[in-house]
Amino acid sequence: QAALTQPASVSGSPGQSITISCTGTSSDVGAYDYVSWYQQHPGKAPKLMIYDVVYRPSGVSNRFSGSKSGNTASLTISGLQAEDEADYYCISYTSSSTLVFGTGTKVTVL
Amino acid sequence: QVQLVESGGGVVQPGRSLRLSCAASGFTFSNYGMHWVRQAPGKGLEWVAVIWYDGSNIYYADSVKGRFTISRDNSKNTLYLQMNRLRAEDTAIYYCARRMSKMPGAYWGQGTLVTVSS
Repeated sequence: QAALTQPASVSGSPGQSITISCTGTSSDVGAYDYVSWYQQHPGKAPKLMIYDVVYRPSGVSNRFSGSKSGNTASLTISGLQAEDEADYYCISYTSSSTLVFGTGTKVTVL
Repeated sequence: QVQLVESGGGVVQPGRSLRLSCAASGFTFSNYGMHWVRQAPGKGLEWVAVIWYDGSNIYYADSVKGRFTISRDNSKNTLYLQMNRLRAEDTAIYYCARRMSKMPGAYWGQGTLVTVSS
């Protein structure tokens, strides 16, 4: 199962909005509404930010939102803050009942 | 509070075996499926395996199928990953995570490092 495709890096200035894409196929992202997003700071365990494409776990800022169109899911961070600088990963359920992560995106706050 | 604590990592020679454990507390372990996820040094996350709450369903990534075995002991609130025929490319931090809506959810352990080297 090939990894989902994410941009290697995305950057933005404080207060701006950025969007991270996660492109898969009709056998994973396009087939199910089971896409999650994780934030990972260096040396830390991943933190769940979005699940089931659009839902935010309790405690996650409403500046984070998710969406999906066809085979591409997206994570949008609005009102970018310094603390948002981290690596972000998407993950999708697949038609083989397995999971596949995205390649990861490094977000830089300028 | 929910706590997941991995153990069993270390340095092992190629071709040898290692068993990781993930001790769960703060929730009813037997009600939840569990995942193993790994991360090679400086690399991205890779999903490894999942086991249903009762062990009835198990799935593996192609990269570990036939070499790794996920299991659980609900009486001990513990998840396991038996890793056989280890390769250099299995070197990674291994995380356990509680399953939510098919995915690793909000609860992850701190990880345990496995280094495969001669």
